[in-house]
Amino acid sequence: NAGVTQTPKFQVLKTGQSMTLQCAQDMNHNSMYWYRQDPGMGLRLIYYSASEGTTDKGEVPNGYNVSRLNKREFSLRLESAAPSQTSVYFCASSVIGNAEAFFGQGTRLTVV
Amino acid sequence: GNSVTQMEGPVTLSEEAFLTINCTYTATGYPSLFWYVQYPGEGLQLLLKATKADDKGSNKGFEATYRKETTSFHLEKGSVQVSDSAVYFCAQVDTGGFKTIFGAGTRLFVKA
Repeated sequence: NAGVTQTPKFQVLKTGQSMTLQCAQDMNHNSMYWYRQDPGMGLRLIYYSASEGTTDKGEVPNGYNVSRLNKREFSLRLESAAPSQTSVYFCASSVIGNAEAFFGQGTRLTVV
Repeated sequence: GNSVTQMEGPVTLSEEAFLTINCTYTATGYPSLFWYVQYPGEGLQLLLKATKADDKGSNKGFEATYRKETTSFHLEKGSVQVSDSAVYFCAQVDTGGFKTIFGAGTRLFVKA
């Protein structure tokens, strides 16, 4: 089973460029999440989608937008990338909000 | 607000040593508690969980007990292996919530 699939795995952007990180899950999960991981700070929630058709801000939403395209797919968009957005981004999904989360392999993003 | 605090790393042990990684939490309700593990270059995966006070989660020789009186969920293993080298994250989710709150992570190195 594929589980949670993220693309791309690596990306380098110039300041001001835009890009979309893609995420898809094949487990029929209701809830999906985007996190960023920075050294010494654990994982911080950017946005989440409790169910298809809904999205909500997490802890660090500024500079990001999301789209829950359907039940399987949840994308994260950087409209104008900044060096502070250099990080590893993880997509995750769960059956419901308080169940265990399943994570993708991550996207390592560098903004120069 | 809710939070998770875990011991700073890195923790370096010899093979077959006893492992403890401390984790404490603050919460307004009665959260579910989790330990996730992250191997190099991969996303997080669930190691074990406990959903109510005095529950013990266990998996692959790792154990953690949900202690409401001390608001703790310490991870233990009696005899670590080199293959246990990874980063370990303690996490909580409020009942009915959609935000998994992670600790900063503890890196474990096990020497042969």
